[in-house]
Amino acid sequence: GAGVSQSPSNKVTEKGKDVELRCDPISGHTALYWYRQRLGQGLEFLIYFQGNSAPDKSGLPSDRFSAERTGESVSTLTIQRTQQEDSAVYLCASSLIEVGAGGSFFGPGTRLTVL
Amino acid sequence: GESVGLHLPTLSVQEGDNSIINCAYSNSASDYFIWYKQESGKGPQFIIDIRSNMDKRQGQRVTVLLNKTVKHLSLQIAATQPGDSAVYFCAENGNNAGNMLTFGGGTRLMVKP
Repeated sequence: GAGVSQSPSNKVTEKGKDVELRCDPISGHTALYWYRQRLGQGLEFLIYFQGNSAPDKSGLPSDRFSAERTGESVSTLTIQRTQQEDSAVYLCASSLIEVGAGGSFFGPGTRLTVL
Repeated sequence: GESVGLHLPTLSVQEGDNSIINCAYSNSASDYFIWYKQESGKGPQFIIDIRSNMDKRQGQRVTVLLNKTVKHLSLQIAATQPGDSAVYFCAENGNNAGNMLTFGGGTRLMVKP
């Protein structure tokens, strides 16, 4: 597709369940980012993938959060044993290695609600 | 910008007036800066960018100003319209090897008709 896509668009889950969120970046974009955005707040960095380099996981809030990326394509963000505090919109973005080419392009996000 | 996790500051302007949104960045090594606009229910969208070798760049109705001495970035929107109502984020690249962007806390712009 022409842009970054994310699925599902909405996810409602029960506390304690695991969830998996998917991001399809723009083809050819080597960098991929996950952010969390709580209601009415700013973007909270979670994890960053760049090509074949080791991902920057410094933003993951706990060991319940993990992410993978297959080559330079799809990425999945997994949250295990979800808590109510995990409720937020999870945004994915991708960019070329040369970020000067217009910056990162964001997907529409996945709205996660933990009951 | 404010730290991530705080509620967003709000700027309220009258339709037709000019808006100025400010951002203080943290890394003096950053050499690339971007402004994003996020409308309700959508992901952030690129508005305009600027490199550190410039202090001003203009787009359509928007101007970004960069003051590296005080690490300050601003976005000026001319003749603000109701469609400009959104949250605006600045981002810096930190001049790290991977060009990972760091986002400011954001400002909510409300345009009154």
